[in-house]
Amino acid sequence: ETGVTQSPTHLIKTRGQQVTLRCSSQSGHNTVSWYQQALGQGPQFIFQYYREEENGRGNFPPRFSGLQFPNYSSELNVNALELDDSALYLCASSIRGGRPEQYFGPGTRLTVT
Amino acid sequence: AQSVTQLGSHVSVSEGALVLLRCNYSSSVPPYLFWYVQYPNQGLQLLLKYTSAATLVKGINGFEAEFKKSETSFHLTKPSAHMSDAAEYFCAVSDLRNFGNEKLTFGTGTRLTIIP
Repeated sequence: ETGVTQSPTHLIKTRGQQVTLRCSSQSGHNTVSWYQQALGQGPQFIFQYYREEENGRGNFPPRFSGLQFPNYSSELNVNALELDDSALYLCASSIRGGRPEQYFGPGTRLTVT
Repeated sequence: AQSVTQLGSHVSVSEGALVLLRCNYSSSVPPYLFWYVQYPNQGLQLLLKYTSAATLVKGINGFEAEFKKSETSFHLTKPSAHMSDAAEYFCAVSDLRNFGNEKLTFGTGTRLTIIP
């Protein structure tokens, strides 16, 4: 069984740029959630995707957007990067209507300078 | 709104001693509760979960947690600490009502240090 994978592992961007992070869900999982983990903090929910549609969003501005593809993989896009966007971005997959736990990938470390 | 409070941002125990990490939750409805562990520069690994079945839940690596509704607590324990247990531990809650949108709300984490 393949776990959740994320790419890239690390990324350095300049303020004002745009970034795309990618996630492949665990085999058999149909729901993907994205979280932002700032240094020394717990993960914060950004949004969740199911059947290629956003299904719930946390307290994040519209410049954070996402996509889910037919194979359940997902992208997180962040426009107009700000210094405070520097964080570990975690993707988690789960099964809608199945067990409630989410399985996390290793994360993408984004640094905005 | 749901919330999780983890008492003690840092906990140090001696190797072989009892590990106790505290978690209190706030939820107006019965919750799902989880403990995750995060090793340096890694993602989160599920340790155990409570889903309204048995109140004492056993997880991986010898950890267990007890759901106490009257105390709104879900503390994590391990009888004997190993050096390999050194990591960051997160308690999380999910709202049973939001079936289909099971976002996790995390605490701020507890860093566990094991003293040789």
